[in-house]
Amino acid sequence: DAGVIQSPRHEVTEMGQEVTLRCKPISGHNSLFWYRQTMMRGLELLIYFNNNVPIDDSGMPEDRFSAKMPNASFSTLKIQPSEPRDSAVYFCASGFGVTQPQHFGDGTRLSIL
Amino acid sequence: AQSVSQHNHHVILSEAASLELGCNYSYGGTVNLFWYVQYPGQHLQLLLKYFSGDPLVKGIKGFEAEFIKSKFSFNLRKPSVQWSDTAEYFCAVMDTGRRALTFGSGTRLQVQP
Repeated sequence: DAGVIQSPRHEVTEMGQEVTLRCKPISGHNSLFWYRQTMMRGLELLIYFNNNVPIDDSGMPEDRFSAKMPNASFSTLKIQPSEPRDSAVYFCASGFGVTQPQHFGDGTRLSIL
Repeated sequence: AQSVSQHNHHVILSEAASLELGCNYSYGGTVNLFWYVQYPGQHLQLLLKYFSGDPLVKGIKGFEAEFIKSKFSFNLRKPSVQWSDTAEYFCAVMDTGRRALTFGSGTRLQVQP
């Protein structure tokens, strides 16, 4: 079991640039979640998908953030344009059903200068 | 909206001391409860979970938690901590209808040798 795979592990870029984070969920899982972790706000859910369909995006901070899941094995989280306050660790998690726990990837540490 | 409170933000213990980390949630419906651990620089890993049945659940590495429905609590315990337990611990609640996790703010545990 390869686990949830996220890329890149680290990203440093200048403000105003577009940032794309990628996630490959565990095969067979039908739910995918994007979380953001900061010192100030802790772990926050940004958006989650079920069967590739966005179910709840109420945690997406603003229109600069967008997420897609074109198929069951891939999702992206895009920030355009990026701002310094977007600096955080972004985790992707996947799960199956409501009785199984979510499995987390190693995260992408994003720094916007 | 549901919320999760972890009252201990930073706990410092000596090896072999007993541990209890508090977790309270606010939600009137059916919930699934989790404790995750995050070792420095790593992703979240599941320690234990409660869905139904015996309110005392045992997890990995000697951890256990007790669900007390009347108190809306799910406290984490370990009778004797080790230096390797130094990490951040997150309590999380899943609304079985919504699937997404709501995390507490985390408790940073530091175990001194």
